[in-house]
Order: sequence, then C-alpha cells, then structure tokens
Amino acid sequence: DAGITQSPRYKITETGRQVTLMCHQTWSHSYMFWYRQDLGHGLRLIYYSAAADITDKGEVPDGYVVSRSKTENFPLTLESATRSQTSVYFCASSEGTRGYTFGSGTRLTVV
Amino acid sequence: ILNVEQSPQSLHVQEGDSTNFTCSFPSSNFYALHWYRWETAKSPEALFVMTLNGDEKKKGRISATLNTKEGYSYLYIKGSQPEDSATYLCAPPGGGADGLTFGKGTHLIIQP
Repeated sequence: DAGITQSPRYKITETGRQVTLMCHQTWSHSYMFWYRQDLGHGLRLIYYSAAADITDKGEVPDGYVVSRSKTENFPLTLESATRSQTSVYFCASSEGTRGYTFGSGTRLTVV
Repeated sequence: ILNVEQSPQSLHVQEGDSTNFTCSFPSSNFYALHWYRWETAKSPEALFVMTLNGDEKKKGRISATLNTKEGYSYLYIKGSQPEDSATYLCAPPGGGADGLTFGKGTHLIIQP
C-alpha cells in the first residue's frame, strides 16, 4: 500500500546499544524528516534529507546518524543509546510546498 | 532556533460553540506556514499550507488566516464537534534547516 511506514512501532533497548529506526515511503517524495516528540518540547527536528545522498542536521542531531542511499528509505540510527533518547520518533515526507505526511511513530525506550 | 508561539496552550470548548487560537512566528524571511491536527495516539495530519499575506484557507468547519507582516495566523473552528478534539500545531519552515519548526500546539478539548 502507498504511504509512509515506520518500524518497529515499539522498541526497548539498553543504554549503549546501537538501534536503527526504519522509515519507508512509497511516493518518491524528495524530502524526508525525522522528529522526536517529548513532553514540554513538542516535535523537534533531528535530521532531514532533501534527496538521496543529501542529509543535514536539524535542531537536535547529537547522538544520531542518518543515511539516504535510496529515495524511499531514511533510517535513523542511535549509535550508542542513552536514556535521554527515550522518546517517540516520527518520520515524515513531503514534496514541494505541500504539507508533511507523517508515519505512525516509533516509541523507543532506553533502559 | 525559530521562535514559534501558540496560544492558548489548552482550550475547553462546549460542543457547538465556535473557537479560535493563534500562532505567532517571526515575520522576517517568511516562506510558508503549516497547520496540523494531531489526535491522541495518531500522527499529525496536515490541514493547511499558507504562503501569501492575507491568505484564507478553509476545510469544512475549519479555516485559517495568515498575516505575514505582523507574524501571526489564526485557526478557526465553527460549531465544534467532539471529533475536533486534538492538538493543533502550527509550523513555519526555517530556523537554519529546511524542516518545519513546530510550535508546542493548542490542545483543544470539546465537551459534550
């Protein structure tokens, strides 16, 4: 089905472990984004990508790595997870000046 | 970091009443303003993308206006219904990145 999908929906990991959150979109949208949602902060931009092989930092990039080898995929990796990275992560895509379409989110708990 | 303010933070409205809330943003280097509706346990859903000063957009009972010179946008809901209960987010692009900078939202609760 067409859309934007995130996996996993829920993840529990231990401090120090590497974890990758997946995001896949079927529209061939140029732009993709990763946001995290935290109480008191709302949605904050972690990284974004304007096209395949082009990525750039957002507001809160520290501790995260992204890649975009294919237009449809934009994985987010936490290289060494910390408790402060416990959050709900949303991936989104857009094309041109249209609104963003968000995935269903990944709830990550770092213990 | 772009400063985006939304007010009020939360709002309780009786079913059938109309309501409105505000988004304030820096008026310099304006490009566009997005509005989203975010229901509990779901993902944000795009309502409007506004680009022109004086622009007014409408989607059913929801409408929005834009003043880029003074840096604010209003969202109006006419005849509120329980399904309008959600957090409404506004977001201009900018703040040093191409991504949207979201306000913290107005949490709207419609009381039967």
